[in-house]
Amino acid sequence: GAGVSQSPSNKVTEKGKDVELRCDPISGHTALYWYRQRLGQGLEFLIYFQGNSAPDKSGLPSDRFSAERTGESVSTLTIQRTQQEDSAVYLCASSLQGLAGEDTQYFGPGTRLTVL
Amino acid sequence: GENVEQHPSTLSVQEGDSAVIKCTYSDSASNYFPWYKQELGKRPQLIIDIRSNVGEKKDQRIAVTLNKTAKHFSLHITETQPEDSAVYFCAARDGLTFGKGTHLIIQP
Repeated sequence: GAGVSQSPSNKVTEKGKDVELRCDPISGHTALYWYRQRLGQGLEFLIYFQGNSAPDKSGLPSDRFSAERTGESVSTLTIQRTQQEDSAVYLCASSLQGLAGEDTQYFGPGTRLTVL
Repeated sequence: GENVEQHPSTLSVQEGDSAVIKCTYSDSASNYFPWYKQELGKRPQLIIDIRSNVGEKKDQRIAVTLNKTAKHFSLHITETQPEDSAVYFCAARDGLTFGKGTHLIIQP
């Protein structure tokens, strides 16, 4: 079936503007993860959704970042009042069971965000 | 929280030789340790993982070892090939906390 998809693939915005990034997980996957990857760096965990449980927001860097997930489907990551240090690739992943199942995370292609 | 250290940051080996990448973690409660390969401009993909109830796992030319007492785990690639060139990431804390990555270069 289809893998994880993300949109847009590229986003250029001006400092101070809000952006919304979208992730469509693999159908049937109960867990969804957002990561940030700065150029040449590792993956930085942002937020984790598991079924109907309260999300683990422990990785969100500031209150300008928020995310929502509709049931066990699409998720949106919103960054308000963007700053230049927000420039990065934002990766979404999904997995069948989540952390309890210690199962494979499948990554989307990412959204490259550039804040001018 | 969990802290994952990965070494080396860059590793260059001759084609056919072995490559070893090492990671250490801080949270003794971590139980799941995946390794991802990310080729230039592409998404990370899982190549192998290990759980805390085993000490070693092998899949063809790739193996992972885990020492829970010392809180470190390693990726071993034998008989390296040009297509092994990529950035490799380890992770701990049930797969959420990643190392900074190792750029593996296979010299022909």
